[in-house]
Amino acid sequence: SAVISQKPSRDICQRGTSLTIQCQVDSQVTMMFWYRQQPGQSLTLIATANQGSEATYESGFVIDKFPISRPNLTFSTLTVSNMSPEDSSIYLCSVKGRNQETQYFGPGTRLLVL
Amino acid sequence: KQEVTQIPAALSVPEGENLVLNCSFTDSAIYNLQWFRQDPGKGLTSLLLIQSSQREQTSGRLNASLDKSSGRSTLYIAASQPGDSATYLCAAAGGGATNKLIFGTGTLLAVQP
Repeated sequence: SAVISQKPSRDICQRGTSLTIQCQVDSQVTMMFWYRQQPGQSLTLIATANQGSEATYESGFVIDKFPISRPNLTFSTLTVSNMSPEDSSIYLCSVKGRNQETQYFGPGTRLLVL
Repeated sequence: KQEVTQIPAALSVPEGENLVLNCSFTDSAIYNLQWFRQDPGKGLTSLLLIQSSQREQTSGRLNASLDKSSGRSTLYIAASQPGDSATYLCAAAGGGATNKLIFGTGTLLAVQP
């Protein structure tokens, strides 16, 4: 299994500001995934982050709004830019295990935008 | 486009009951199907993974089945305990390099002592 930590665990932000969420994994992984879970909703994939290349974004998500960094094989950041109340969600980082199938999730970052 | 649905949305049972959670998916061309548990204020915990070629997987009191032809998976929990109270999510993994997971909306389970 993989142990994933995220910072911050929660935050309250003002409209128009940006927040960067950090994700740290205890082992080297090829792909890292960022998900969003809006209130009362299930998880939606935002993007897949590979080390050394640009992230691949899912339909409805753009790099200007959710820039992602992947400087090495154990770390990634997701920035939520120019936030609005609609961005209030839980943001989760995820990786695949060594079998490249089972997926492991971090504890999430709970974001409230006022 | 894959869509995953879970029924019921919420379920409350007395302790000790056996129960079944349902998951349906529209595209049978899945790579695998995974069941997760989400506790309030916490991330997701992987429970079971069923390969597309498998019919079921078991772990302790949990048994997950998969019927690709009908687009259904079930999670059976035997002898439920209050500690089983959580939201249960199923996710279908498509093919391709990322095996992207498409999640259902979840079933909120409450086991009453």
